[in-house]
Amino acid sequence: EPEVTQTPSHQVTQMGQEVILRCVPISNHLYFYWYRQILGQKVEFLVSFYNNEISEKSEIFDDQFSVERPDGSNFTLKIRSTKLEDSAMYFCASLLLSRGVGTDTQYFGPGTRLTVL
Amino acid sequence: DAKTTQPPSMDCAEGRAANLPCNHSTISGNEYVYWYRQIHSQGPQYIIHGLKNNETNEMASLIITEDRKSSTLILPHATLRDTAVYYCIVRVAMNRDDKIIFGKGTRLHILP
Repeated sequence: EPEVTQTPSHQVTQMGQEVILRCVPISNHLYFYWYRQILGQKVEFLVSFYNNEISEKSEIFDDQFSVERPDGSNFTLKIRSTKLEDSAMYFCASLLLSRGVGTDTQYFGPGTRLTVL
Repeated sequence: DAKTTQPPSMDCAEGRAANLPCNHSTISGNEYVYWYRQIHSQGPQYIIHGLKNNETNEMASLIITEDRKSSTLILPHATLRDTAVYYCIVRVAMNRDDKIIFGKGTRLHILP
């Protein structure tokens, strides 16, 4: 069964450093998402992306964050200058969105654990 | 904000049916009920969804009340691997690029 993959599984970085989290969505999917989950808290939406542009972003997704689909397969989340509070699990998701109303769903990757020291 | 209410935790004996309730009294006519689960530190996993009819797939059954104000996810023969947080979500059908809003869910413990 096709699946969303994410790399790395765990990223440790120093505060102030830039990190890039990578995702490979399911190949024929058209919509892409990033979510994050701080330890012990809810899964929170960050951003959605379609047709090479951001569709929606949350208030968490400030100027320090950016997303990109550099080629036909990868979808990346960049944090320019990491803060301690950026430590979290980051989940990528993708959605096909065929014409079948109600039949599509977002598929999530296994996540990247980001630790900012 | 999440539009659903779920108990924070539940226990179920291995091999028994796990019945997870969800209240969604403000559900609109065009909103579906979706269930996801999250096994420890993994990404959320889709389980099942429905509009008004009961649904069954290889993972679970979804029972939606006639007034659609509540539903129950049934795992017919729970195993230890079903220990997870289960999220009940109401939303319009995924025919738009909408975000999923997760609540706190129900933490299901399967007991050996």
